Amino acid sequence: KNEVEQSPQNLTAQEGEFITINCSYSVGISALHWLQQHPGGGIVSLFMLSSGKKKHGRLIATINIQEKHSSLHITASHPRDSAVYICAVDKAAGNKLTFGGGTRVLVKP
Amino acid sequence: DTEVTQTPKHLVMGMTNKKSLKCEQHMGHRAMYWYKQKAKKPPELMFVYSYEKLSINESVPSRFSPECPNSSLLNLHLHALQPEDSALYLCASSQVGDNNEQFFGPGTRLTVL
Repeated sequence: KNEVEQSPQNLTAQEGEFITINCSYSVGISALHWLQQHPGGGIVSLFMLSSGKKKHGRLIATINIQEKHSSLHITASHPRDSAVYICAVDKAAGNKLTFGGGTRVLVKP
Repeated sequence: DTEVTQTPKHLVMGMTNKKSLKCEQHMGHRAMYWYKQKAKKPPELMFVYSYEKLSINESVPSRFSPECPNSSLLNLHLHALQPEDSALYLCASSQVGDNNEQFFGPGTRLTVL
């Protein structure tokens, strides 16, 4: 079993819908990262969390350390949100991230 | 400047060629990374440099040879690659230590014929 699991693997939404992506991990972590990758493109860091909740524009990330679970929410989704969203954890092992398998999001107009 | 740049954007090479990928950042980051990413898969860590010294090598074949000539530059020298090495190669940088955001470059898409 992978140390970091994401669900769903694929998600299709209509423009304007609320989207939730989940990430569960089975190891002790010092921080959790949410990353975004557009098709054929580089990766952008969206959030780094060690507790609680963070918000940036229409994106909200939460983490529950006791339950080893994090969620990324996209409010009022837009076609430009179509991308792969990747959860990665920092196990305090010296600059090394462990990645989930990614969630491919398609937002239709 | 919060950008990591990579050159070239695309590279096609034969199995007998020698080529190099380049990565540059001017954010004062002292940790730099090479990742390999196959289609529809998450990135796989290849190498980490901390303070210009190789700190992590994830059992990468010797046909990939990293080099960190100074704190802003990271190279990946390629020699005698195989077709299965075709992938997107991503460079990233961060502050040294845990719990630091990594900044990624746009990647070099490598095709080995």
